[in-house]
Amino acid sequence: GAVVSQHPSWVICKSGTSVKIECRSLDFQATTMFWYRQFPKQSLMLMATSNEGSKATYEQGVEKDKFLINHASLTLSTLTVTSAHPEDSSFYICSARAQVAGDWYEQFFGPGTRLTVL
Amino acid sequence: GQNIDQPTEMTATEGAIVQINCTYQTSGFNGLFWYQQHAGEAPTFLSYNVLDGLEEKGRFSSFLSRSKGYSYLLLKELQMKDSASYLCAVINSNYQLIWGAGTKLIIKP
Repeated sequence: GAVVSQHPSWVICKSGTSVKIECRSLDFQATTMFWYRQFPKQSLMLMATSNEGSKATYEQGVEKDKFLINHASLTLSTLTVTSAHPEDSSFYICSARAQVAGDWYEQFFGPGTRLTVL
Repeated sequence: GQNIDQPTEMTATEGAIVQINCTYQTSGFNGLFWYQQHAGEAPTFLSYNVLDGLEEKGRFSSFLSRSKGYSYLLLKELQMKDSASYLCAVINSNYQLIWGAGTKLIIKP
């Protein structure tokens, strides 16, 4: 099956610093990638949809200037949390959509990145 | 609005069968996914239904009725490792993935 990787797996940073998270589709090309955030014991929350070569589409309530998304190639999307604060501490998960056959799409998830802001 | 409804939590016994229901109201429909998520981990794909009927895959089966806006995930011969959250998600006509809040399944010995 298709594999999506994320780097780093976990990161601890000081308040006010910026953190970049990479999401790669390893064996397929993904025109669309998604970034999710998940707080403990809560469901996935879609932050933004990232399309290769164009600006990301952010969900309501997500600050585009704080969560910078770049989808520079068909296999790489990055999320940068700028000026991180403790309330940004969360589990960040990316996923990539692949067309399996015809109208059949499957969404493959990366392993997630646990961000802790001190 | 668009919404996905599924029970918050269910409890079942090891070796038994459990059915997790999902109802949806979305702007169009292009398929329904079921994912399993263990605590602290990313979701893993279980099934995809786009046509009405039952899809069986080992111990897990997924059913879809588009006219009723309804799906269920059936887990047979439950094992302790099946304790997890089960997420229902629908692709709407804009190819957006709309997520349910997930059902936490607790398996007891």
